Amino acid sequence: QQQVKQSPQSLIVQKGGISIINCAYENTAFDYFPWYQQFPGKGPALLIAIRPDVSEKKEGRFTISFNKSAKQFSLHIMDSQPGDSATYFCAATNTNAGKSTFGDGTTLTVKP
Amino acid sequence: DGGITQSPKYLFRKEGQNVTLSCEQNLNHDAMYWYRQDPGQGLRLIYYSQIVNDFQKGDIAEGYSVSREKKESFPLTVTSAQKNPTAFYLCASIWYTEAFFGQGTRLTVV
Repeated sequence: QQQVKQSPQSLIVQKGGISIINCAYENTAFDYFPWYQQFPGKGPALLIAIRPDVSEKKEGRFTISFNKSAKQFSLHIMDSQPGDSATYFCAATNTNAGKSTFGDGTTLTVKP
Repeated sequence: DGGITQSPKYLFRKEGQNVTLSCEQNLNHDAMYWYRQDPGQGLRLIYYSQIVNDFQKGDIAEGYSVSREKKESFPLTVTSAQKNPTAFYLCASIWYTEAFFGQGTRLTVV
């Protein structure tokens, strides 16, 4: 049973466009939802995160939208740049248990 | 610089051999984790430790073993019982809610 479903698996966007990656979760015990960015051959790094008591969080060009009733959240990258080309993972964390469940990742390619 | 250090970056294993992947942290974090990453798949939890001398199995612990004798160190041994060990292995520590990852070790069976 996959607890966090991420889509799409891959995404190609033109420079300046908007990249949107979606995730859905099942377990209501999750209480923290981070997004990680991973470049080839490197470990993932935290990009942005949200708690379920807010519906949106914005940091620069990156925005998380969160829909608690639908158990869905998404990452929006505005004005996408070639340097944003990477794999993005959503995660859902149960902070009481100290465990995170990751989505399968989305490979984003931003074409110049 | 504070962070997670994994070594080696690349590791080759012969069939039937055990190999140990190193993970060291100087962040003074209590919780440490090992994940396996395969192409097109997310990060799958192998083992985790929330305190010295204690660790728990994750979702895919079979064929792996760990130890946590020191707060700074959390080595992972890939045993010969792991039938498909070729993968990218990531070590992480957790501080409250944020995970800090190492640069990974790519293990290949030859």
